Amino acid sequence: DTGVSQNPRHKITKRGQNVTFRCDPISEHNRLYWYRQTLGQGPEFLTYFQNEAQLEKSRLLSDRFSAERPKGSFSTLEIQRTEQGDSAMYLCASSSGTSGGTDTQYFGPGTRLTVL
Amino acid sequence: AQTVTQSQPEMSVQEAETVTLSCTYDTSESDYYLFWYKQPPSRQMILVIRQEAYKQQNATENRFSVNFQKAAKSFSLKISDSQLGDAAMYFCAYSGGGADGLTFGKGTHLIIQP
Repeated sequence: DTGVSQNPRHKITKRGQNVTFRCDPISEHNRLYWYRQTLGQGPEFLTYFQNEAQLEKSRLLSDRFSAERPKGSFSTLEIQRTEQGDSAMYLCASSSGTSGGTDTQYFGPGTRLTVL
Repeated sequence: AQTVTQSQPEMSVQEAETVTLSCTYDTSESDYYLFWYKQPPSRQMILVIRQEAYKQQNATENRFSVNFQKAAKSFSLKISDSQLGDAAMYFCAYSGGGADGLTFGKGTHLIIQP
């Protein structure tokens, strides 16, 4: 049984560069979420997919951020023209999407981004 | 907008003792879900316990139980017989139902003294 996986686990980049993160959800989970967690804070919701459709985006997700989930499987989160304020842990979570209420979200280990 | 407040940045408890972590939230919804997640150092977040707002009975999971006070918008977590492995950041989270993203508090750092 594999959980949610994220790659890379760590990414160091220079300001102005583009970075892309990948998330592989639990197999057959329909819903996939991205969160950002800065030091000393709880995770903040960024965006959510139901299968391949991106259904909700937080106002935290500026134009430099884009997320995709082709074919409703893995997802990628790209940050263009990175800024030092983008330094954070980026968490992915998935849920089954089969219940009428709120499914439990299962989290991946995260990708820690450091922008120099 | 919903908000979640954890007023205890850090708590310390002796091994085998009981500790209670506080959480309050603000919402205008009547139907929602509350969660406690645990995040050990450098490890991924895992679900500890969840509570549906429409259920009056408090959720329990082995040594973990909650005190859900809907009118007071309070959702505290009690850990009984604390173990060294319980040391972690604990986050309280709210969901308005459906496929909403979770709203998290800032977390409480729990230290277990041997």
